[in-house]
Amino acid sequence: DQQVKQNSPSLSVQEGRISILNCDYTNSMFDYFLWYKKYPAEGPTFLISISSIKDKNEDGRFTVFLNKSAKHLSLHIVPSQPGDSAVYFCAASANNQGGKLIFGQGTELSVKP
Amino acid sequence: GAVVSQHPSWVICKSGTSVKIECRSLDFQATTMFWYRQFPKQSLMLMATSNEGSKATYEQGVEKDKFLINHASLTLSTLTVTSAHPEDSSFYICSANPWGVQETQYFGPGTRLLVL
Repeated sequence: DQQVKQNSPSLSVQEGRISILNCDYTNSMFDYFLWYKKYPAEGPTFLISISSIKDKNEDGRFTVFLNKSAKHLSLHIVPSQPGDSAVYFCAASANNQGGKLIFGQGTELSVKP
Repeated sequence: GAVVSQHPSWVICKSGTSVKIECRSLDFQATTMFWYRQFPKQSLMLMATSNEGSKATYEQGVEKDKFLINHASLTLSTLTVTSAHPEDSSFYICSANPWGVQETQYFGPGTRLLVL
C-alpha cells in the first residue's frame, strides 16, 4: 500500500527551463509535506516543505504547490541548473504520527546543459 | 543547519555476524530518531521509530529481533543488524527529529552495509 507515490521515475529537462516533479498521496491524515534531494550513497537533503493549511510555498528557485482536494503536490524548479540533477523524494507526515515520514519512490531529475 | 552523523559510513561483514550502526545528533537533542533502509533505485522505507528511554516502534514486516534499536540518550541511537545475511545488504539511513517539531527532520549521511 503505497501512500505516497511519485509516478515518474525519471525526468529530463534542459538547463534554464522549468522542472516539475509530481507527487500524489492517498492518506487524508497527512498534514505536512516535504521535498528532499538525494545523491547516491548520501542521506537526503531537505529542500522545501509545505503545511496542509497552505497551497504554495516558495524558496528561491524552488516552489511547492499543494492541491489538497486532488491529494497532489508538485515541486517546481526554475530555472533548472545542471547541479539540480539528483533524485528527488517527496515525503508526507501526519501530526499524530510523531514526525514519521512516508516517502515516495523518487524521481531522478537530469538537467542537461 | 542541524547535523546528524552516522558511523560507520560503510561496512563489509561476513554472513552471520552482527553489525552496529550509530546515529548521533551533533548539535541538538532528539527524543525521536528514525531508521530507514533504501535498496538500490528504491524509496526510503521506514524501519522503526527510536524513542529515547523506551522501546522502539517497528514498522510492519520489520523483525525487531533482527534489527535491534537502542536509543540510550537524547543524542544517540544505535541499530544492530544481528546475524546479518546477504539480503540485509542495503543503505541504512537515520534521521533525527528535534523536540516536538513535526516539520523538521534531519538525515544522516547513511551507512552502506554489504554482507558477504
